[in-house]
Amino acid sequence: NAGVMQNPRHLVRRRGQEARLRCSPMKGHSHVYWYRQLPEEGLKFMVYLQKENIIDESGMPKERFSAEFPKEGPSILRIQQVVRGDSAAYFCASSLTRGTDTQYFGPGTRLTVL
Amino acid sequence: AQSVTQPDIHITVSEGASLELRCNYSYGATPYLFWYVQSPGQGLQLLLKYFSGDTLVQGIKGFEAEFKRSQSSFNLRKPSVHWSDAAEYFCAVGGSARQLTFGSGTQLTVLP
Repeated sequence: NAGVMQNPRHLVRRRGQEARLRCSPMKGHSHVYWYRQLPEEGLKFMVYLQKENIIDESGMPKERFSAEFPKEGPSILRIQQVVRGDSAAYFCASSLTRGTDTQYFGPGTRLTVL
Repeated sequence: AQSVTQPDIHITVSEGASLELRCNYSYGATPYLFWYVQSPGQGLQLLLKYFSGDTLVQGIKGFEAEFKRSQSSFNLRKPSVHWSDAAEYFCAVGGSARQLTFGSGTQLTVLP
């Protein structure tokens, strides 16, 4: 059973460009979470999605960031007009059920903004 | 609001020695508690979790943790550390909101 997949693993963007990060949850999982890890810090929650719905986006920056989890295909975290402060590791996690179920993490996408 | 404190930023132990990593949490109701391990450049791997029941929880790789409600703690222990245990360890708390709140992590170095 494949784990949570994320791609790309490394992404380099220049300031002002767009970054698209993809996450495929574990098979059968319909709950997806995005977290950001800044250098030397722990993970910070960004957004929680179920298929076609954003459930909790309380951790998302108000501008430039968006997330989706369509009926078909992976979840996408989109960052428009990236700035140097967006450089971080972005992790996706998935869980099987609603409620507090175990979240399984992907390997992360490391975004570098030049 | 929920929060997690890991007081030790960096711990160094000799191979074969015992290990205890501290975790204190703040949460208004019964917490759901987790320990994850992260190797350099890798994602997070779940070591163990506490939802309810027995307060001493066994995990993978010989780790265990004890939930102490009176002390708001969930410390991670291992009786004998192996060189492959060198990594960063994160404690996390979750609740009905489903989002996890992580501590800032403890970096473990293992000396030969």
